[in-house]
Amino acid sequence: ETGVTQSPTHLIKTRGQQVTLRCSSQSGHNTVSWYQQALGQGPQFIFQYYREEENGRGNFPPRFSGLQFPNYSSELNVNALELDDSALYLCASSFTRGLSSEQFFGPGTRLTVL
Amino acid sequence: AQKVTQAQTEISVVEKEDVTLDCVYETRDTTYYLFWYKQPPSGELVFLIRRNSFDEQNEISGRYSWNFQKSTSSFNFTITASQVVDSAVYFCALSVYSGGGADGLTFGKGTHLIIQP
Repeated sequence: ETGVTQSPTHLIKTRGQQVTLRCSSQSGHNTVSWYQQALGQGPQFIFQYYREEENGRGNFPPRFSGLQFPNYSSELNVNALELDDSALYLCASSFTRGLSSEQFFGPGTRLTVL
Repeated sequence: AQKVTQAQTEISVVEKEDVTLDCVYETRDTTYYLFWYKQPPSGELVFLIRRNSFDEQNEISGRYSWNFQKSTSSFNFTITASQVVDSAVYFCALSVYSGGGADGLTFGKGTHLIIQP
């Protein structure tokens, strides 16, 4: 059974640029959630996708957007990058969107904005 | 709004000592789930336990045990006879029902546990 994978592992961008991060969910999982983890902090919920639709969103501006594809893989897009967007971006998949669902996390993408 | 507080930023103990990581949560919802995750240096969050708000039974899994007390809104995690491999950042997290589905997890800031040989 393949776990959650994310690409790329590391990324360096400059202010104002746009970035796309990718996530492949674990086999059999139909829900994907994205989190932002700043250095020394806990992960913060960005949004969740269930069956290709946004299912819930945290306190992030619209320049953070996402997609989920029919195979349940997902993308996180961030436009107009700011220095504070530098963080570890974690993707998590789960079998269902229920609140009790165990979320399986990927290794993350480390984004640095210069 | 939900909130999870892990007051201990860093704990350092010598191997074989017992250690307890504290977690206090806030929510107005009566139905919720609590989680603990471990984050080793590799960065990947590893699920440890899930507990629903209606089940206050303590749980033990090997050297790990969890104490859930609704009266104090706490969900503490104890490692018995700690080992160097337990060194990691540990996160407590909360999940509530938003009506349209589950909100994402609300995490605490984490406790960095250092086990010295």
